[in-house]
Amino acid sequence: GDSVTQMEGPVTLSEEAFLTINCTYTATGYPSLFWYVQYPGEGLQLLLKATKADDKGSNKGFEATYRKETTSFHLEKGSVQVSDSAVYFCALTLYDKVIFGPGTSLSVIP
Amino acid sequence: DSGVTQTPKHLITATGQRVTLRCSPRSGDLSVYWYQQSLDQGLQFLIQYYNGEERAKGNILERFSAQQFPDLHSELNLSSLELGDSALYFCASSVAQKLTRQGFSGANVLTFGAGSRLTVL
Repeated sequence: GDSVTQMEGPVTLSEEAFLTINCTYTATGYPSLFWYVQYPGEGLQLLLKATKADDKGSNKGFEATYRKETTSFHLEKGSVQVSDSAVYFCALTLYDKVIFGPGTSLSVIP
Repeated sequence: DSGVTQTPKHLITATGQRVTLRCSPRSGDLSVYWYQQSLDQGLQFLIQYYNGEERAKGNILERFSAQQFPDLHSELNLSSLELGDSALYFCASSVAQKLTRQGFSGANVLTFGAGSRLTVL
């Protein structure tokens, strides 16, 4: 069935380090792909999205490219800040389905 | 403020009791989703409504039920509560995408509320 797999956390980085959180998906059709972020004590919010192959979503310095050939949507940021500490969820939507990955917790230390 | 309102924010109750969580979707959104988030289970999809009708069901227990009213607000009813039901319950809404025979077309962006934290003692 359709699914989303993310790298296990928690991930701990120093401020200004490079971030990659891997996400791969399995889907029977052509899904839209998303990254959501959940800051401590809050609900999830959309970080970025891509709706077709080779699209690049970007927001707040984060980027992810929809790679159909590798069924991946890895999240990257060149220089993380303490304020980026949060849980990051990869997700796909395909018709009625909205499928979230398990989430990756990121802690950025000064 | 995301535009999705959930009440109550916090709720403490005892095992065996029944509670109702309420969600008002963002203005114009026809779809409402309910999720349960616990430390050991992650984010679990419970149920989805679209314009008053149940659209999809996830891992929702028989002790739980939900509905979406004509004004589009939704309620999640949790009964015969157990300790393991302690969790954050999130509601999300989405803009109505074009509904085809296969389902919604287009990117289905969810807007989440701040959640209702349920503690069962």
